[in-house]
Amino acid sequence: DGGITQSPKYLFRKEGQNVTLSCEQNLNHDAMYWYRQDPGQGLRLIYYSQIVNDFQKGDIAEGYSVSREKKESFPLTVTSAQKNPTAFYLCASSVQGWVTGELFFGEGSRLTVL
Amino acid sequence: AQKITQTQPGMFVQEKEAVTLDCTYDTSDQSYGLFWYKQPSSGEMIFLIYQGSYDEQNATEGRYSLNFQKARKSANLVISASQLGDSAMYFCAMRAIGTGNQFYFGTGTSLTVIP
Repeated sequence: DGGITQSPKYLFRKEGQNVTLSCEQNLNHDAMYWYRQDPGQGLRLIYYSQIVNDFQKGDIAEGYSVSREKKESFPLTVTSAQKNPTAFYLCASSVQGWVTGELFFGEGSRLTVL
Repeated sequence: AQKITQTQPGMFVQEKEAVTLDCTYDTSDQSYGLFWYKQPSSGEMIFLIYQGSYDEQNATEGRYSLNFQKARKSANLVISASQLGDSAMYFCAMRAIGTGNQFYFGTGTSLTVIP
């Protein structure tokens, strides 16, 4: 079955540690995204990538980093520079450039800083 | 700039009744798509329905329909015959040709279905 796999589903981190959230898709989509969602809030774009080896900052990129070395993979690193990293993180993908293409989401990763 | 507005933070509906969730949008592009997503308490985002800016008919998918009023820039979601499982957050989103791969989301509406 085609889809997006995020791991881990739950992650606990001590302050000062970097953590990496995995996102893999087998939908052959060019575009991939990372969103952050805080309780009771909407989705805020962290980073997105339209093609391998290229990515753009979203609205809240500070304290996060990404890479796109393979079309299928778009990992997100939450660095110690992110002051309030406790949140729900959603990875998504879509076909490129068509307004008809919806976002496909993973099941999300819930990060808690202890 | 592209913008999506959902003005209803929370809504209640009686089971088996219909409910309308509001969404207005702002874009200068002529070609764009409008999407609705459902997010249950588990957190997954479920795609519900799509409406293209050039579509003359309102989109329908089972119990979901989209009331598209282009001149008013509104794309309201109508859920008919509400079920308890419809209780969730609902997000309206837009994708415009001018901004390619970017999706713009509203702040969401929390729907509670009352037995």
